[in-house]
Amino acid sequence: AQKITQTQPGMFVQEKEAVTLDCTYDTSDPSYGLFWYKQPSSGEMIFLIYQGSYDQQNATEGRYSLNFQKARKSANLVISASQLGDSAMYFCAMREGTFGNEKLTFGTGTRLTIIP
Amino acid sequence: GAVVSQHPSWVICKSGTSVKIECRSLDFQATTMFWYRQFPKQSLMLMATSNEGSKATYEQGVEKDKFLINHASLTLSTLTVTSAHPEDSSFYICSASTGIFHINGYTFGSGTRLTVV
Repeated sequence: AQKITQTQPGMFVQEKEAVTLDCTYDTSDPSYGLFWYKQPSSGEMIFLIYQGSYDQQNATEGRYSLNFQKARKSANLVISASQLGDSAMYFCAMREGTFGNEKLTFGTGTRLTIIP
Repeated sequence: GAVVSQHPSWVICKSGTSVKIECRSLDFQATTMFWYRQFPKQSLMLMATSNEGSKATYEQGVEKDKFLINHASLTLSTLTVTSAHPEDSSFYICSASTGIFHINGYTFGSGTRLTVV
């Protein structure tokens, strides 16, 4: 079974609009971490935002916020005021396990295209 | 911030030869190193996880004799693709963990694009 599910293979959004990228996850670990990464065409992985399973508040980093709904096992990324430079692949990832025995797995990704 | 240097950034090799990819953490000690493979327009697939001084743990379906991983020190991990074939052509990327779990504790290398001809 998929640990991380991203159901939107591609999205087109008008510049300056907000966009939500969906991510659901599946784990039985009580302690886990959720991440969003941006991958431009150059291939580098750019960290955007992190949410720990015990964090009470939703994470925010500048224009990025994570809508964490633990009971629904979803961790959607919200990008406010989208910019042309936001066009890229976006991956949701989950860390499970403990120190020395951890695993970081990725969803299938969403290709976001910002339209001028 | 934490930096992982991955080399080479791209390599072309002949079928049947071996290729070594290096990931070096420059300013921190990487307790765990992850190696991923990414085919065009696809996700990062975890190949193996290695802890310094231990044998790597390979994911199901990944041939450990073909993809040799060495994590001899806290700052260096290598992936050797042995007897490479065209189907091994892919983007390989490493990720180092600092073991700090309450924040983003992962730093990625810039990736290696392997083409086997």
